[in-house]
Amino acid sequence: RKEVEQDPGPFNVPEGATVAFNCTYSNSASQSFFWYRQDCRKEPKLLMSVYSSGNEDGRFTAQLNRASQYISLLIRDSKLSDSATYLCVVNRQAGTALIFGKGTTLSVSS
Amino acid sequence: EADIYQTPRYLVIGTGKKITLECSQTMGHDKMYWYQQDPGMELHLIHYSYGVNSTEKGDLSSESTVSRIRTEHFPLTLESARPSHTSQYLCASSDDRGLWTEAFFGQGTRLTVV
Repeated sequence: RKEVEQDPGPFNVPEGATVAFNCTYSNSASQSFFWYRQDCRKEPKLLMSVYSSGNEDGRFTAQLNRASQYISLLIRDSKLSDSATYLCVVNRQAGTALIFGKGTTLSVSS
Repeated sequence: EADIYQTPRYLVIGTGKKITLECSQTMGHDKMYWYQQDPGMELHLIHYSYGVNSTEKGDLSSESTVSRIRTEHFPLTLESARPSHTSQYLCASSDDRGLWTEAFFGQGTRLTVV
């Protein structure tokens, strides 16, 4: 089983749609969680961290369920510019490197 | 924009050649990483470093080696390139502020071994 698993996608949605991505992680000792965004043939960039209390940044909401080892990302009012691959990322413990999921590709059309 | 640079951006090289992929950052970060990513696939950690003279192998077995003689520089070397090494190699760095520190990536090197 992969350490970080995501919906395979791709998700094809119209502008204005709400879309939700799911992610599960297998290592219960994991301590920090993130969503990164990767545009086609570009490097990944941090979208947002995912805190236990949940957090929101504009149209983006991230939630964490430690008991279920589940992370989610909700995008409201999708824009064309949201088209990208969204990577679920886990840090096992302080001082170690980030572990990436395979990513879920989102395509927003007009 | 992150101050982390990789050279070359693209490299096509023959089997059996020795290659070094360069990665430099000017952010003073102690932690640096190398990831390998095939098209449409996830990033796999192949090497990381906590600081000068510290290097560790990642989850994905790799025939490459790394060195960390200076804080800002983390080169990756393949002694004898093979077609199976064809991939994208991404270098990243982060500071040492604990669990929630952001990793910054270079633009990657696309390696093709023919």
